[in-house]
Amino acid sequence: SQQGEEDPQALSIQEGENATMNCSYKTSINNLQWYRQNSGRGLVHLILIRSNEREKHSGRLRVTLDTSKKSSSLLITASRAADTASYFCATIIIKGAQKLVFGQGTRLTINP
Amino acid sequence: GAVVSQHPSWVICKSGTSVKIECRSLDFQATTMFWYRQFPKQSLMLMATSNEGSKATYEQGVEKDKFLINHASLTLSTLTVTSAHPEDSSFYICSAREGGRHGYTFGSGTRLTVV
Repeated sequence: SQQGEEDPQALSIQEGENATMNCSYKTSINNLQWYRQNSGRGLVHLILIRSNEREKHSGRLRVTLDTSKKSSSLLITASRAADTASYFCATIIIKGAQKLVFGQGTRLTINP
Repeated sequence: GAVVSQHPSWVICKSGTSVKIECRSLDFQATTMFWYRQFPKQSLMLMATSNEGSKATYEQGVEKDKFLINHASLTLSTLTVTSAHPEDSSFYICSAREGGRHGYTFGSGTRLTVV
């Protein structure tokens, strides 16, 4: 089952520009996580934001969370060609084994 | 940091045969592992939760007799795709969470092609 929607589904920008991806979710959460996936590879955990946090930074990444709107955004500043990947938000379904459920994802392409 | 090893990274098999995919937590114990399937340009769909020493919990719509999961130890879970068909061709990824950590660690995935 999918937790929510991400937009845009695909984003293509020039190197050096900022990239913003949005995620919406359906259920109440304790935290929201962002992951990155290079083509045909596994996922890498980028950042986690707790439900009582509104903004969090990690290097060139900035994540916001609006629990009233059930939405989050991931901003990558000063993008690089190496940032080309798919980015997914994910939330934990707390019932039972705390399953991690993903959004649809955004395919980000950074053009040199 | 936590590492999850998944093997094989790719496999091609004939219709009707079975394929086993292994997922190992290398430096931590994982009482729970998760198996996902991902079709091209789509998101990860959770298939099942693998529980050490007990039966796996399958998501709605996932055939438990077709996707056999065994979690015999705290560091190893296996997914066997039985009687594979071309529509089973997909990217399969496992993940595990080390106790006390919030992030989940993912294997590198297995590209299954059924011909």
